[in-house]
Amino acid sequence: QKEVEQNSGPLSVPEGAIASLNCTYSDRGSQSFFWYRQYSGKSPELIMFIYSNGDKEDGRFTAQLNKASQYVSLLIRDSQPSDSATYLCAHSDSWGKLQFGAGTQVVVTP
Amino acid sequence: DVKVTQSSRYLVKRTGEKVFLECVQDMDHENMFWYRQDPGLGLRLIYFSYDVKMKEKGDIPEGYSVSREKKERFSLILESASTNQTSMYLCASSSLDTLNTGELFFGEGSRLTVL
Repeated sequence: QKEVEQNSGPLSVPEGAIASLNCTYSDRGSQSFFWYRQYSGKSPELIMFIYSNGDKEDGRFTAQLNKASQYVSLLIRDSQPSDSATYLCAHSDSWGKLQFGAGTQVVVTP
Repeated sequence: DVKVTQSSRYLVKRTGEKVFLECVQDMDHENMFWYRQDPGLGLRLIYFSYDVKMKEKGDIPEGYSVSREKKERFSLILESASTNQTSMYLCASSSLDTLNTGELFFGEGSRLTVL
């Protein structure tokens, strides 16, 4: 079983709609969770991190964490074609090493 | 501006060849990492280093070694390349300050093909 599981997609989202991405993890000791965005042919870049249960908002992005259920999600509101990318979920151990999921591809259609 | 530079964007090597992948960062970061990225498998950690001359195995170190003689440079070595090492290799760095925020700064990647 992978430590971090994501639906590979592609997730097709109409422009202006909400994209909802989910991620589950197996390590109950995980404390910190991250969402990276990776455009095709480019390197990943950090867009959100969350430590506490609940929601964290940053612009059009909202990360949600539920440690009891061991899932973390990312909502993208008012999706734009520029949001088309692969979104990687990750968590870190106490050394700061990140474990990544395989990523969910999002396609925003005009 | 933050920069992680990988020496080669594309390499084609033959089975059994020794391969060097170089990574240099100009941010004075303490931590450096080597990942490989394969479709459906995501990023998998090969080796990492928290200090000069220090190295730790990641999740898939078999067939690889690393060298960190200077703080800014972290090299990945494939002693005898095999076809199953065909992949995209990503170098990343982070500082002690960004450890908690999980922010890794990635290079542009090196796509290695082993024939």
